Amino acid sequence: QITLKESGPTLVKPTQTLTLTCTFSGFSLSTSGVGVGWIRQPPGKALEWLALIYWDADKRYSPSLESRLTITKDTSRNQVVLIMTNMDPVDTGTYYCAHRGGQGNYWYFDIWGRGSLVTVSS
Amino acid sequence: DIQMTQSPSSLSASVGDRVTITCRASQTISNFLNWHQQKPGEAPKLLIYAASNLQSGVPSRFSGSGSGTDFTLTISSLQPDDFATYYCQQSYGAPYTFGQGTKLEIK
Repeated sequence: QITLKESGPTLVKPTQTLTLTCTFSGFSLSTSGVGVGWIRQPPGKALEWLALIYWDADKRYSPSLESRLTITKDTSRNQVVLIMTNMDPVDTGTYYCAHRGGQGNYWYFDIWGRGSLVTVSS
Repeated sequence: DIQMTQSPSSLSASVGDRVTITCRASQTISNFLNWHQQKPGEAPKLLIYAASNLQSGVPSRFSGSGSGTDFTLTISSLQPDDFATYYCQQSYGAPYTFGQGTKLEIK
């Protein structure tokens, strides 16, 4: 059974750096084809894809946020970390990590964590 | 970036109704299109992948179709548990954009 859980601060101040950790079980991030992504959702708004890291450490970022994002993995600890710099109140929202599953070229976020609510306020 | 546009943004329907939600991509994405359902206070849940494939455990009243730029999610007979927000998402190329969501409400 695959599970993921986000952890990190619930409150950060403007200009600070946010570090979120996704701790997962039920799969290995060293298995070919596997990945973990981060998606966020401002209160009452739509989902926004942020970043994705693959089993081979290849990474993809949202172009609009790429300069502020870093995604890394620790395969031995079954964790993926997302770092977002220079936080602003517009970054307030729920941050989800999700398992990238699928076969061949067809992939999808099939298992999601419950989300971590982050508020940016002074 | 590939823009995903859903219509309608909101929809009122009754239990038993047949409902269709549309998602349009700003460029062709073949069938690299997934649908997610999200209920208030919960994480999204995968319903359909590769445009028309039902995820394991999802009721058969849900179906998806389309290819290229135009896609649909259909619920054949609405059940009380189906009132939620639905999002399409393209997995064709990064950034892996979501639609703005369609909120399905009880009439």
